[in-house]
Parts: sequence; C-alpha cells; structure tokens
Amino acid sequence: SQQGEEDPQALSIQEGENATMNCSYKTSINNLQWYRQNSGRGLVHLILIRSNEREKHSGRLRVTLDTSKKSSSLLITASRAADTASYFCATDAFEGGRRALTFGSGTRLQVQP
Amino acid sequence: EPEVTQTPSHQVTQMGQEVILRCVPISNHLYFYWYRQILGQKVEFLVSFYNNEISEKSEIFDDQFSVERPDGSNFTLKIRSTKLEDSAMYFCASSERGGMKPQHFGDGTRLSIL
Repeated sequence: SQQGEEDPQALSIQEGENATMNCSYKTSINNLQWYRQNSGRGLVHLILIRSNEREKHSGRLRVTLDTSKKSSSLLITASRAADTASYFCATDAFEGGRRALTFGSGTRLQVQP
Repeated sequence: EPEVTQTPSHQVTQMGQEVILRCVPISNHLYFYWYRQILGQKVEFLVSFYNNEISEKSEIFDDQFSVERPDGSNFTLKIRSTKLEDSAMYFCASSERGGMKPQHFGDGTRLSIL
C-alpha cells in the first residue's frame, strides 16, 4: 500500500456507536496526524501522535500508533451525526529527500441519526 | 478563532492562461503550505514556505508554479501557463511552528481549466 492508506474506505454507523478507522504507512515517520474534512471544506487538524507515543486521547478521540506494524487507528466514541465527514491520516516523514506531510486516501464516515 | 482564508473560492481559466490563487494565513503563523486535491484523489503536498523562501517542494511543483509572500499578510500560488490537469482544489495551510506541526487549512480554491 502507499504511504498513509486508510481502511475502510467508507464506514456507515448509527449515532452512539463507535467508529474505528485504520491507517497504514510504509516509511519511518516523525509523527502521524489525523484530519477531518467536511464536504466542500478544508481539512481540520484533529490530533497528532509522535513516533515515540503509543496512544493519545482528545475528547471522544483515541489514536493509537504501532511503529513496528507501521499502522495507526483512530477511534471516535459515541459518534454523532455531526461526525459525518472524511477522515485522513497524514504522515510527517522524509520521502524522496524532502520532509512533507503525506495524506492517505481517507475514510468516508457516515453517522446515521 | 483565527482562520486561513482563500480567494477566490472558484476560479475558471482558459488553458494556457496564468492564474494566481490567494491566501491569507493566520497572522502569527510563520510556516505556509500549498496542497492540491484532484477530484476523487488524495491531498498532495506542493510546497512549504518559511522566512520568505521555499523550504520543501514536491515533484508536482515544477517551473510552472511559483509562490510569493508579497506583503505581511498574503501568500500566493501562481501557475504560469495552466494545463487541463491543473484542475483541482488548491488548499493553503499555515502553522505556528515548523516540522510539519498541526496545520490550519483554508477552505480551498476550486480551479477549473477549460
């Protein structure tokens, strides 16, 4: 898979359920970030996890990072209809001799009220 | 809460024409970025800018592209001679610190090349 690939590509759940999205990447990273994007809007930063961290919480968000497996997960607990959006992981890494933020293809989350 | 603002929201241009996309980053931010998102594809890094010069650029950012901070508030992306494949959403972002720290994005400019 390419750097920063999320799965599933699409997820539909009922309000109140938990949503889990996964991200896999290929190279060593400095940090990994999760962003959300509402339709027609820009990306909004949600959470950053450093390469030496394993888990981080922010409100209803929980992010894990497993550098040995080169994977991360984003858990949204007690989802709300307003959580409906696309979610992207982005890896901060050196690639091709430069440091850049590389985004995945995203997971489209639909929370049914 | 401070925002990154981009203008115009939609730009339609004939192929071969020059286009300038404008961004006003958050006022106390020092690092600026441009990304593009072709319809249905990933957000792709174009360029980062700090201290009035380009810090990093991707292979997409060829000689047709340039960036400028003409004054203390604006940050612009110029495409000299547009091609059909330049049609995309272009996002500007800024951050207070470098090292790819959390970036604040504008809502983008939809560029349509005819």
